Amino acid sequence: DAKTTQPNSMESNEEEPVHLPCNHSTISGTDYIHWYRQLPSQGPEYVIHGLTSNVNNRMASLAIAEDRKSSTLILHRATLRDAAVYYCILRSHNAGNMLTFGGGTRLMVKP
Amino acid sequence: EAGVAQSPRYKIIEKRQSVAFWCNPISGHATLYWYQQILGQGPKLLIQFQNNGVVDDSQLPKDRFSAERLKGVDSTLKIQPAKLEDSAVYLCASSYGQGGTYGYTFGSGTRLTVV
Repeated sequence: DAKTTQPNSMESNEEEPVHLPCNHSTISGTDYIHWYRQLPSQGPEYVIHGLTSNVNNRMASLAIAEDRKSSTLILHRATLRDAAVYYCILRSHNAGNMLTFGGGTRLMVKP
Repeated sequence: EAGVAQSPRYKIIEKRQSVAFWCNPISGHATLYWYQQILGQGPKLLIQFQNNGVVDDSQLPKDRFSAERLKGVDSTLKIQPAKLEDSAVYLCASSYGQGGTYGYTFGSGTRLTVV
């Protein structure tokens, strides 16, 4: 599986935008970029995924670099409830390829 | 829609005892996964099912761990005998399909403590 690199931790102020970076320089053409987050004492939660174009949903936006070697998860207005570990994961389009989690980024949100 | 159900929520056992975890995936989700998450680490895949067949169990310690998914719906994960290092959260997830276009839905997990 292609690997991703994320900062170990980030801090943000409440009600400000947050940009969580992810590098994936060895991404292949069939790899989707998935983001999950894990709140304390809960299982991971799907946030968003994309292939080439930027994506928006009710939770977040995903900005994908033109060469696809990096991406950024954008939380438009952080709340205290967004404090979690955020995982950036590559997942092949090919059937049978599963989610492989790295260490993720721990996001702390200050009031 | 109802989420992925797991039970029990917590379990404490002594080493060398056996334990079983149960998972009920989202209705219609053909793919089911079991993950192990040790404190401070990301989840690690143990086994993947497609319907009631095993797709990948290369990370499952087969000398002590076993899993089954009868009738392609519910699944159980068993540890026998348990070791101290098996203390972790065991997460079940399901997905409509296997490819990269599909997201996973996770349960809340079972926290196992082996003493």
